[in-house]
Amino acid sequence: QKEVEQDPGPLSVPEGAIVSLNCTYSNSAFQYFMWYRQYSRKGPELLMYTYSSGNKEDGRFTAQVDKSSKYISLFIRDSQPSDSATYLCAMSAFGEETSGSRLTFGEGTQLTVNP
Amino acid sequence: SQTIHQWPATLVQPVGSPLSLECTVEGTSNPNLYWYRQAAGRGLQLLFYSVGIGQISSEVPQNLSASRPQDRQFILSSKKLLLSDSGFYLCAWKRLGLDEQYFGPGTRLTVT
Repeated sequence: QKEVEQDPGPLSVPEGAIVSLNCTYSNSAFQYFMWYRQYSRKGPELLMYTYSSGNKEDGRFTAQVDKSSKYISLFIRDSQPSDSATYLCAMSAFGEETSGSRLTFGEGTQLTVNP
Repeated sequence: SQTIHQWPATLVQPVGSPLSLECTVEGTSNPNLYWYRQAAGRGLQLLFYSVGIGQISSEVPQNLSASRPQDRQFILSSKKLLLSDSGFYLCAWKRLGLDEQYFGPGTRLTVT
C-alpha cells in the first residue's frame, strides 16, 4: 500500500467551477503538507504549505487538512483555464532533518478547466 | 531571492553513453539538495539527496550516481545509460529546518 494516495483524475471542469483535489495518507508521522502545481513540461511549483489541521486560504486556493482522518484537500474557487495543470500533494514527517526531510508525493491529478 | 538552474533543458542520448546533468542554486547557502525522476504521467521518484558537500544518500539502486562538489552544485551522472533512464529529471532544494522544497525547471532525457 502506498503511503500517499491521490485521486488520479483526470478532472475536466468548466470555467468558474469549484475544484476539489484530494489525498489520503497512512503514515501518522506526516505533519507537514504541501500542494504543488505542475504545468506541462515544467518543474512543480509550490502552491500551498500547511502543518496544522484546518483550513488555510490564499486567494482562490484553500488547503484543508484533517489529521484525524488522514485526509487533505485543495479547493480552487472560480477556476480559470490557467489553472489547467497537474496538482501534486506532498507531505513530510517531523524530525527527519538528519535523513534529508524527504517529501512523499502523491502521483498527481491532472486538471483541465475548459473556457 | 533564490533561483535554481538546471541544464541542459533537453537531452537525447544513445544507450550506453555517459550522462551528466547539473543543478545549481543561487541566493542561499547550505541547502539540502535533491534529484528526482518523473516518468510520463507518474509521480516523483526520489533518486538522491544531499545534506552537505560530499554527502550523498541514494534512495534507489540503479546505474545513476550523484555528487555535490560545491555547496550549491549538485550533479547527476551515469557511466552507461539504459533505455529505462529516460524521463524528466528534477532538481530541488530546501532550507535547513524548513520542509518546503523548491524545484528547478527540469531536464527531459530521452535515451534512444
